Amino acid sequence: QKEVEQDPGPLSVPEGAIVSLNCTYSNSAFQYFMWYRQYSRKGPELLMYTYSSGNKEDGRFTAQVDKSSKYISLFIRDSQPSDSATYLCAMSGSGNTPLVFGKGTRLSVIA
Amino acid sequence: GAGVSQTPSNKVTEKGKYVELRCDPISGHTALYWYRQSLGQGPEFLIYFQGTGAADDSGLPNDRFFAVRPEGSVSTLKIQRTERGDSAVYLCASSSIAGVGGEQFFGPGTRLTVL
Repeated sequence: QKEVEQDPGPLSVPEGAIVSLNCTYSNSAFQYFMWYRQYSRKGPELLMYTYSSGNKEDGRFTAQVDKSSKYISLFIRDSQPSDSATYLCAMSGSGNTPLVFGKGTRLSVIA
Repeated sequence: GAGVSQTPSNKVTEKGKYVELRCDPISGHTALYWYRQSLGQGPEFLIYFQGTGAADDSGLPNDRFFAVRPEGSVSTLKIQRTERGDSAVYLCASSSIAGVGGEQFFGPGTRLTVL
């Protein structure tokens, strides 16, 4: 079993839909949880950053962490075609330590 | 520049050759990371620098891979006797020790193709 599991998709939704992306993990030492967005042939771009359990909202994006279930989610409201990208979850045990990534979920938002 | 820069953006080489990949981190960031991303996979950790020293090189796949950061800023990833399996996108990220929890910011990557 990999440390971080993420369904690679692809996931295709109509414009305006609510998108739910998620990851599960096995290492209970993980404390920092991130979501990155990666466009084709570009580097990952940090979207959301959460420490420990709880919710964090930024515009159309909401990140949730449930440490008891070892499960994290990213919700995208009112999805746009420009949201079409690969979304990578990542996590680490403490600040400034290497991240462990999921495989990424490929999302397409259809106009 | 404001972000992490990497050169070259693309590198094509022949099996057995030596390559160097360069990373220029965000100014003032003391932590620097190298990752490798194969097609359809997430980035995988290679090596981490705090300042000039390699704090963790446990992700380097074998002794053909080596990285340096002599002045605590720019870093070079060196691959000797390249193999076809080394073909991937090599990503660099930097982080500020003063940042909350150490958010990592990535460069655009170098796409390495070994023929």
